Amino acid sequence: KQEVTQIPAALSVPEGENLVLNCSFTDSAIYNLQWFRQDPGKGLTSLLLIQSSQREQTSGRLNASLDKSSGRSTLYIAASQPGDSATYLCAVRGDSSYKLIFGSGTRLLVRP
Amino acid sequence: DAEITQSPRHKITETGRQVTLACHQTWNHNNMFWYRQDLGHGLRLIHYSYGVHDTNKGEVSDGYSVSRSNTEDLPLTLESAASSQTSVYFCASSVGVGNTEAFFGQGTRLTVV
Repeated sequence: KQEVTQIPAALSVPEGENLVLNCSFTDSAIYNLQWFRQDPGKGLTSLLLIQSSQREQTSGRLNASLDKSSGRSTLYIAASQPGDSATYLCAVRGDSSYKLIFGSGTRLLVRP
Repeated sequence: DAEITQSPRHKITETGRQVTLACHQTWNHNNMFWYRQDLGHGLRLIHYSYGVHDTNKGEVSDGYSVSRSNTEDLPLTLESAASSQTSVYFCASSVGVGNTEAFFGQGTRLTVV
C-alpha cells in the first residue's frame, strides 16, 4: 500500500531564505506526483505536476524534483516571502487509476 | 474561466439527517473525486467517478454515496449524518487521460451536532 510522508510537519524561516520541502513515498511505481499549496480555510491550489518520466519541473520561484528510484520528491522555494506561508501538500498517483495519495503536509511560516 | 465550485461552504446539521454536498465543474473533466480532510489523517478519498453513470468507492466510503448523472456534477450524500463525519470536504476533478493534474474546489466545512 502506497504511503506518502512529508517531513518536517512544520517549518519557520526568515524572509529571503531558500528552502526545501521533502516528500517521500514507499512504492516507486508511480505515474506522477503533484505539489499543492493550501492556505488556511481554503482549497488546494496546484503548484507543479511531475510525470514519472520527468526529473524536475519549474514554475517561477518553485522547483520540484522527482527521484522515483529513491521514492523522493523535493519542492525548492527560492527567496521565500511572507506570502509563501501556507501548508504544502504532495500527492502521488500510484497506479492506473487517477486517485491521489496525499502526505500530511508541511506547514510553512515565512517571517518578515 | 472554467472552475470547480462547492456548495454550501459551511453546513451544520443534526445527527441522523441526510445531507447532500454539491460539486460542479465547468472544465468538462471526466474524473471527479470527493476527499475529506481531518487533522491527523490528511486527505482521504471517499468516492470517485470516471464519467457519467460511473461511481467507485474510495478508502472511507462507508456512510456516503455519490451519483453522476452528467459530466459537470458529482453530489456527495451522507445518508444519515454522524458526528464522525464532521470534517472538511473537498471535491476535485481531472481531465481523464494523459495529463492528470487535479484541481480542487474551495471545500465545504460540515459540522454534525
